[in-house]
Amino acid sequence: KQEVTQIPAALSVPEGENLVLNCSFTDSAIYNLQWFRQDPGKGLTSLLLIQSSQREQTSGRLNASLDKSSGRSTLYIAASQPGDSATYLCAVGSYSSASKIIFGSGTRLSIRP
Amino acid sequence: EAQVTQNPRYLITVTGKKLTVTCSQNMNHEYMSWYRQDPGLGLRQIYYSMNVEVTDKGDVPEGYKVSRKEKRNFPLILESPSPNQTSLYFCASKRTDTQYFGPGTRLTVL
Repeated sequence: KQEVTQIPAALSVPEGENLVLNCSFTDSAIYNLQWFRQDPGKGLTSLLLIQSSQREQTSGRLNASLDKSSGRSTLYIAASQPGDSATYLCAVGSYSSASKIIFGSGTRLSIRP
Repeated sequence: EAQVTQNPRYLITVTGKKLTVTCSQNMNHEYMSWYRQDPGLGLRQIYYSMNVEVTDKGDVPEGYKVSRKEKRNFPLILESPSPNQTSLYFCASKRTDTQYFGPGTRLTVL
């Protein structure tokens, strides 16, 4: 059974730093992997989607990588800003059923001004 | 505006009183899904639907029902709610791979 883990559960860094959020999964037979952002009391906003055949995706200051063989994905945030403070979740779609989505429990990121 | 809407946003009810949380999307998406979010457990999939009249269980379907009679709507039904169903519920839809989430429904069962 696929398990998705995000460590650490919380992270606080000063503004301007580059940072990396981690996501690991136990079954490498994935269909895709998606990173989301969740603000307190709000729904989820999709940030980046990586298909299983891709190694990385970029959007602005965000870069997500995927290494299926090691069961890992990273979300790189460049030049962090206080507005980046949120919870970041990764979600894996399994290859056997792309409709079944397994989420990690998230990393709560706080950017200190 | 393309969106997923959920109603109600907040609900407090008592054990055993049937309730329905509605979900509607205006993007003509075929796929819709329900999740619950609990502290420390992340989001867990309850049910999903690939298209009208096609539904399937996710990881935590016990105590829930769904229906998909029209493409735009995917209601979540709790026939006999219990306190362990107190949670934050999200509905989502997608056409290809990117999911779009509703704002969430915070349910408290006393």
